[in-house]
Amino acid sequence: EAQVTQNPRYLITVTGKKLTVTCSQNMNHEYMSWYRQDPGLGLRQIYYSMNVEVTDKGDVPEGYKVSRKEKRNFPLILESPSPNQTSLYFCASSFRRTLGVQETQYFGPGTRLLVL
Amino acid sequence: SQQGEEDPQALSIQEGENATMNCSYKTSINNLQWYRQNSGRGLVHLILIRSNEREKHSGRLRVTLDTSKKSSSLLITASRAADTASYFCATASASGGSYIPTFGRGTSLIVHP
Repeated sequence: EAQVTQNPRYLITVTGKKLTVTCSQNMNHEYMSWYRQDPGLGLRQIYYSMNVEVTDKGDVPEGYKVSRKEKRNFPLILESPSPNQTSLYFCASSFRRTLGVQETQYFGPGTRLLVL
Repeated sequence: SQQGEEDPQALSIQEGENATMNCSYKTSINNLQWYRQNSGRGLVHLILIRSNEREKHSGRLRVTLDTSKKSSSLLITASRAADTASYFCATASASGGSYIPTFGRGTSLIVHP
């Protein structure tokens, strides 16, 4: 089944304790991205990756890191989480066929993070 | 920066009525997409309309696009309680050789049985 998976689905942690949220897709998509969703703010893009070893900042990259060592995986790293990173996080992927053209994105189920 | 903005923010209707949501955007686009999100879940793609199309249908969904006004509308006909969800439009503008799709804040639709 074609899908985007994220782990963990729920996470409670404390300020400053490094954490990683994994994202994996089995559709051979080139493009992957991370979003956070907060009430009243909609979805905001954190980082995206056009292909392996190619990553770039989205609208709200501060406090986050990503890596793209393999095509299927795109982990989100919070080196020193803070309470303002409490949010609902989504990973998404799509094909990247044509420059400047948005393809349909497939979203993971979400990771709900609480930083105390 | 938010490229697409949905209107209204919230919509409450009775089952069987039609629901119309609007999306406005700022820059030129290649296509515009509508997504649906059930509470706390990932977004699911509904329909894509290209910049050279004016109207598109998919089941009970009808999407229009007016590039001169930089706006789109999503119409759900004969709504059902199961249509209760948030609806987002997504657009992308080419920037520096790449593209960043952006989503609006969404329209929250409640359909009462």
